[in-house]
Amino acid sequence: GNSVTQMEGPVTLSEEAFLTINCTYTATGYPSLFWYVQYPGEGLQLLLKATKADDKGSNKGFEATYRKETTSFHLEKGSVQVSDSAVYFCALILNTNAGKSTFGDGTTLTVKP
Amino acid sequence: NAGVTQTPKFRVLKTGQSMTLLCAQDMNHEYMYWYRQDPGMGLRLIHYSVGEGTTAKGEVPDGYNVSRLKKQNFLLGLESAAPSQTSVYFCASAREGSYYNEQFFGPGTRLTVL
Repeated sequence: GNSVTQMEGPVTLSEEAFLTINCTYTATGYPSLFWYVQYPGEGLQLLLKATKADDKGSNKGFEATYRKETTSFHLEKGSVQVSDSAVYFCALILNTNAGKSTFGDGTTLTVKP
Repeated sequence: NAGVTQTPKFRVLKTGQSMTLLCAQDMNHEYMYWYRQDPGMGLRLIHYSVGEGTTAKGEVPDGYNVSRLKKQNFLLGLESAAPSQTSVYFCASAREGSYYNEQFFGPGTRLTVL
């Protein structure tokens, strides 16, 4: 079956530190890959996405590259801010799945000033 | 443009009571989904719909029913609530036709079953 495995949290960083959250996937086919962010008390919102191998998604200083050879989609940011504190979810969609997403368990990031 | 809205935001039920959660979207999306979110377990799909009048089971459908009588609304029902259904419930919607369309989420309903 399809699955997404995320780096276990929680992750605590100081402001301006470099962030990496690992995400690997297993899929029967070629999925699209997504990172969603969930701020406290809110629903998930799309952070970035990539739809084919070697694509790089980017938004708000975050980046992730679709690596087919390692089945990975790691999230990175060069300099985190306190406002980046949230839960981050990696997800995939297959083209045969009526848009159904498979989500990782989420990684909680706390950034301290 | 409100996006995806959910009603109610919070609810406390006693075991055996019933309730309906309402999800509404104003983006004319064909696909709609109900998830539950539990600590350390990510999001699990309960039921989904690919269009008005259609519904299908997701990963954890037991104890829930759904209806999609209107394209913009997707209702989730609990006929006889159990403590194991204590969770945060999220509704989401998406455009049809392409597997690279992201989902748009509502703000969630926090349900406690005593």
